Amino acid sequence: DIQMTQSPSTLSASVGDRVTITCRASQSISSWLAWYQQKPGKAPKLLIYKASTLERGVPSRFSGSGSGTEFTLTISSLQPDDFATYYCQQNNNYWTFGQGTKVEIK
Amino acid sequence: QLQLQESGPGLVKPSETLSLTCNVSGGSISSSSYYWGWIRQPPGKGLEWIGSMYYSGTTHYNPSLKSRVTISVDTSENHFSLKLSSVTAADTAMYYCAKEVRAGNFDFWGQGTLVTVSS
Repeated sequence: DIQMTQSPSTLSASVGDRVTITCRASQSISSWLAWYQQKPGKAPKLLIYKASTLERGVPSRFSGSGSGTEFTLTISSLQPDDFATYYCQQNNNYWTFGQGTKVEIK
Repeated sequence: QLQLQESGPGLVKPSETLSLTCNVSGGSISSSSYYWGWIRQPPGKGLEWIGSMYYSGTTHYNPSLKSRVTISVDTSENHFSLKLSSVTAADTAMYYCAKEVRAGNFDFWGQGTLVTVSS
């Protein structure tokens, strides 16, 4: 199994802040990494795939980078709608998710 | 607009089989470009992929659940189904169905259905 580890587990930030979430894979997954956003009581929403490709309709303040075992999701200027939980997911070999990072209001 | 809707019992007894259906509307489940998958989320916890299938019947399952999972498709009804056998309290979760693109990316999700395993 490929294990995905996110950090931090919780992040407190203010509107306008630049926010970075890290995801590490237990073995190389090339660029087979996606990011999802989930709000309470809702299904996850695909934000980024292949580590850095923005899904259609996702605001450009979201960006992804990395390859191999280390990846980051960056929100350049946090907006009120962005307070949510974010999950990384590897789709290199079977599919596994990170444990999530909750972005909360500071 | 594609829509996915899960349905099935909200309460299942321990050792029994959990059965859910995902009805697909606004698109054909027989599309040659997509797989269709199931993902679950225990209350307050993270996401776990259960398995996915192609309309032709090709499946792939999470190795940790493989011995208990069956995913099937009914193209005439435009829906696909999940069966999870020998359930325990650890199987209590919100169960989501989703459309899978590009091998492992889930771009359309149902709203989810909560299944509780309890006697």
